[in-house]
Amino acid sequence: DTAVSQTPKYLVTQMGNDKSIKCEQNLGHDTMYWYKQDSKKFLKIMFSYNNKELIINETVPNRFSPKSPDKAHLNLHINSLELGDSAVYFCASSSGDYSNQPQHFGDGTRLSIL
Amino acid sequence: GNSVTQMEGPVTLSEEAFLTINCTYTATGYPSLFWYVQYPGEGLQLLLKATKADDKGSNKGFEATYRKETTSFHLEKGSVQVSDSAVYFCALKARGGNTPLVFGKGTRLSVIA
Repeated sequence: DTAVSQTPKYLVTQMGNDKSIKCEQNLGHDTMYWYKQDSKKFLKIMFSYNNKELIINETVPNRFSPKSPDKAHLNLHINSLELGDSAVYFCASSSGDYSNQPQHFGDGTRLSIL
Repeated sequence: GNSVTQMEGPVTLSEEAFLTINCTYTATGYPSLFWYVQYPGEGLQLLLKATKADDKGSNKGFEATYRKETTSFHLEKGSVQVSDSAVYFCALKARGGNTPLVFGKGTRLSVIA
């Protein structure tokens, strides 16, 4: 199936731990994104990569470090997790240069910090 | 900066009622406009889109028209079903490469039988 897939779907961990979320797309897109959805369902962009290059970094703490080994993958590593990091994280992809092309989203990773 | 404002929910309707969810935007230039839907426990799915003024996007009985003069993109459906219960997000994407989506805060719709 063609899709944006992210793992894990659920992540429960202790404050202070380091964790990673993986994202892969097989749609042939050249731009990938990470969004954060808070408890009130508000969605906000965190990062955007185009062809493995960082394009957007929206005032996200440097505990969050995205890594793009190739244009089909954009992983998110989080150091020293804090309670406020609890949220649902969505990966998305699109054909970068065309603003009329929709973004395709993964199913989300629900991160819960104890 | 660019922003999207949606009507606050939750919205509760009886089956077969008419639905309107208001959405207005602020943007430089002419963005593309989208409605995404999030069913319980799932990710976001594109519902419909419009890329220029007066375009009408439609899908699954939902419609929205890109109105430049009122900077609006209201979502409508003539007869809702219980299966339409979800959170609906209005979003814009500015012109230019690699720009992210800017989302409204979402409107939760509950349809009761």
